[in-house]
Amino acid sequence: QVQLVQSGAEVKKPGASVKVSCKASGYTFTDYYMHWVRQAPGQGLEWMGWINPNTGVTIYAQKFQGRVTMTRDTSITTAYMELNSLKSDDTAVYYCARDSTNWQLRHWGYWGQGTLVTVSS
Amino acid sequence: DIVMTQSPDSLAVSLGERATISCKSSQSVLYNSNNENYLAWYQQKPGQPPKLLIYWASTRESGVPERFNGSGSGTTFTLTISSLQAEDVAVYYCQQYYSTPVTFGGGTKVEIK
Repeated sequence: QVQLVQSGAEVKKPGASVKVSCKASGYTFTDYYMHWVRQAPGQGLEWMGWINPNTGVTIYAQKFQGRVTMTRDTSITTAYMELNSLKSDDTAVYYCARDSTNWQLRHWGYWGQGTLVTVSS
Repeated sequence: DIVMTQSPDSLAVSLGERATISCKSSQSVLYNSNNENYLAWYQQKPGQPPKLLIYWASTRESGVPERFNGSGSGTTFTLTISSLQAEDVAVYYCQQYYSTPVTFGGGTKVEIK
């Protein structure tokens, strides 16, 4: 069965960086886009970007351009999201979510369990 | 960017009654080449990731109960829960995947009256 297992909770100081991992299993990793979404406490869902695990091509939301990097390691079927220059309002649960294709945006049937990132001095 | 607007923000419905959630997009999410609406609905319960309920505006994901129905086209969409059950208490989000950036509605919290 398809599983996306994310790394554990992080506590970071303002200005630091965080790197969240998303280990995929149960399917061919390179066949589906991987998205990253975040959810601040009590708030809605905010799309950050996606990576094509097959090619490594990324598309980022303009809000995060220059501050986010999405990568993948196909040998261990893991996607990563690194966010730099953290601020307090980056405190959120970060999710990876698998698309239904790797050639066009589609719906997302599988999600990781979420990783809480807390930014606090 | 396509702005997704959901209404209401919250609603309380009696068990067994119908719940209706509206979602409007600032531009059409109907893709003419395949006549599909690039619109999905997700359910999120506290402490859990969102769960896909409906895609292509009206296609129920495998395993989703038949009481969940999606309808609409173009810019106006509706999620209907035909007979609310206790386990349906959650926040519901619409999402457009027609274009980047992918955007979500603000969410509708469904509670039991």
